[in-house]
Amino acid sequence: AQSVSQHNHHVILSEAASLELGCNYSYGGTVNLFWYVQYPGQHLQLLLKYFSGDPLVKGIKGFEAEFIKSKFSFNLRKPSVQWSDTAEYFCAVTLQTGANNLFFGTGTRLTVIP
Amino acid sequence: NAGVTQTPKFQVLKTGQSMTLQCAQDMNHEYMSWYRQDPGMGLRLIHYSVGAGITDQGEVPNGYNVSRSTTEDFPLRLLSAAPSQTSVYFCASRTDFYGYTFGSGTRLTVV
Repeated sequence: AQSVSQHNHHVILSEAASLELGCNYSYGGTVNLFWYVQYPGQHLQLLLKYFSGDPLVKGIKGFEAEFIKSKFSFNLRKPSVQWSDTAEYFCAVTLQTGANNLFFGTGTRLTVIP
Repeated sequence: NAGVTQTPKFQVLKTGQSMTLQCAQDMNHEYMSWYRQDPGMGLRLIHYSVGAGITDQGEVPNGYNVSRSTTEDFPLRLLSAAPSQTSVYFCASRTDFYGYTFGSGTRLTVV
């Protein structure tokens, strides 16, 4: 079945540690890829997106992600996390067909310890 | 420019009651959608609309109805609420280039 997988359900890091959150998708065809962040009690905000071109995408707040087509992956990275990065992170995919609906992974909760 | 506005922010319903979650956008976006967010399950698409008069089902449509009489509004109706519909509901609209704007959510509890 088509899906977006985020295998890390809860990640706990100390400030200044490096972050990598995994995302794999199983949709066939051409996809657009997104990472969203949801701070506690807030709605989703876009971190970054990939449509085409350079597979290394830079987003806001120092986040970046790399699209590896052969691995169907779009992992999110940040070299040095801050306490303010504590949030839930969602990987999402749209297919470039039909209504182009946005499908989400199950999310990864990140807790950064000061 | 208010973006996507959802009302109410919180609601408690009794099993079997009906209600409508309101969603309005002022960006003239043709595409709008409804999601529910449950712990450990991410956001799942309930219904979506690609323009006024056009709606379609998403991943989890059962128990929900929608209509789209205007470009601005996309209400979500629960005809007979069930405890399994306890969730946080997000409405979103989208530009032609996948620029999604999400509302602030409605937290619904069905007892």
